[in-house]
Formats: sequence, structure tokens, C-alpha cells
Amino acid sequence: DQQVKQNSPSLSVQEGRISILNCDYTNSMFDYFLWYKKYPAEGPTFLISISSIKDKNEDGRFTVFLNKSAKHLSLHIVPSQPGDSAVYFCAASRNSGNTPLVFGKGTRLSVIA
Amino acid sequence: GAGVSQSPSNKVTEKGKDVELRCDPISGHTALYWYRQSLGQGLEFLIYFQGNSAPDKSGLPSDRFSAERTGGSVSTLTIQRTQQEDSAVYLCASSLASVGRPQHFGDGTRLSIL
Repeated sequence: DQQVKQNSPSLSVQEGRISILNCDYTNSMFDYFLWYKKYPAEGPTFLISISSIKDKNEDGRFTVFLNKSAKHLSLHIVPSQPGDSAVYFCAASRNSGNTPLVFGKGTRLSVIA
Repeated sequence: GAGVSQSPSNKVTEKGKDVELRCDPISGHTALYWYRQSLGQGLEFLIYFQGNSAPDKSGLPSDRFSAERTGGSVSTLTIQRTQQEDSAVYLCASSLASVGRPQHFGDGTRLSIL
């Protein structure tokens, strides 16, 4: 039973355009959501997070949107750059982040120059 | 460095042997987590340490897996009598035990069981 789902295994985007990565969850107890970026042979790097009391959080080129009623979140990257090419993981937790994370299986983003 | 440090970075061993994986968390982080990523899968939670509380072992896949955290800092994950299905990347993360603090990951140990 996958509680966090990333239904797109891969995504290709032209440099300079917007990348939109999607994530759905099933557990209504989740109240803290995160996006991580992972390069090969490296650990996941924290990108951005959002608490369930918000519907949007922005950090530079990265914006995360949360739709609690739909149990859906998305990560927008604008403008996309070739260095953004990596696997992106969506993660969720309860208790405002003080519990183990539940991860999706990841989406491989390729930004084409 | 200031990040989470894991050793060894790679480990190849024969089926049936025991292995120990080490994690040095970020200084001052009281919460420490172990996850693993098998081929083509997302990260799977294994065990969680928070301060002096009893660890949350609910993610350990079998009693061959155990972990300890000495002095509230360094942690060791031990796998006894390794099996081929234990082959994975084992990742350690640490965080401040405060509201809304993200977990920061090491680069992992790639474990291969022959």
C-alpha cells in the first residue's frame, strides 16, 4: 500500500521552461511534505518543504503547492536548467516532521539544453 | 565536513556474512534515521533514534537487522547472516528534533551481497 505516489517515472523539459513534478498521498495524517533531489551515487538533497497549514511555499526557482482536499502536491521549477536534471523524490511525514519520512518512488527529470 | 557522514561508501560481501554500516550525523542533531533504497524503489524506512527515547524499530525487515546509537551521536546498522535481497543502498539521515526541520542525508553505503 503506497501512501505516497509519484505517477510519472520520468519527465523531459526544455531548458528555460517550467518543470512540474506531481505527488499524491493517501494518509490524511501527513502534515509535513518535502521534496528531495538526488544525483547518482549521492544522498538525497533537501530542496523545499511545506507544512499542511500552508498551500504554497517558494524558494528561488522552486515552488511547492499543496492541495489538501485533493491530497496532492506539486513542485514547480522555473526556469528549468540542465543542472536540475536528477531524480526528485516527494516525501511526507506526520507530527510536523518528527517522524520517519514516507517516500514516493521518484521522478527522473531531464532538462534538455 | 558539516554533513552526515557514512562509511564505508561501498561494501561487497558474501552471503551469510555479517556487515556493519556506520553513520556520523550532523553535530547537534538529536534525531537519526536509517533508510534503504533497493533497485528501482523509493526510500524505505528502517529505524529511528530520537534522543534518549527507545528507538522506533518498526521498519526493520527481519531480526537479522539491528542498530544502535552510542552517546547520542554515531550509529551503527548491523545486518547478520546477509542475504542477496539485502543488497541496496543504505542511507542515514539526521535532523533537529523541532517542528518543520528537514532530514539531511548522507551519501549512503552501497551494499552488494554475492
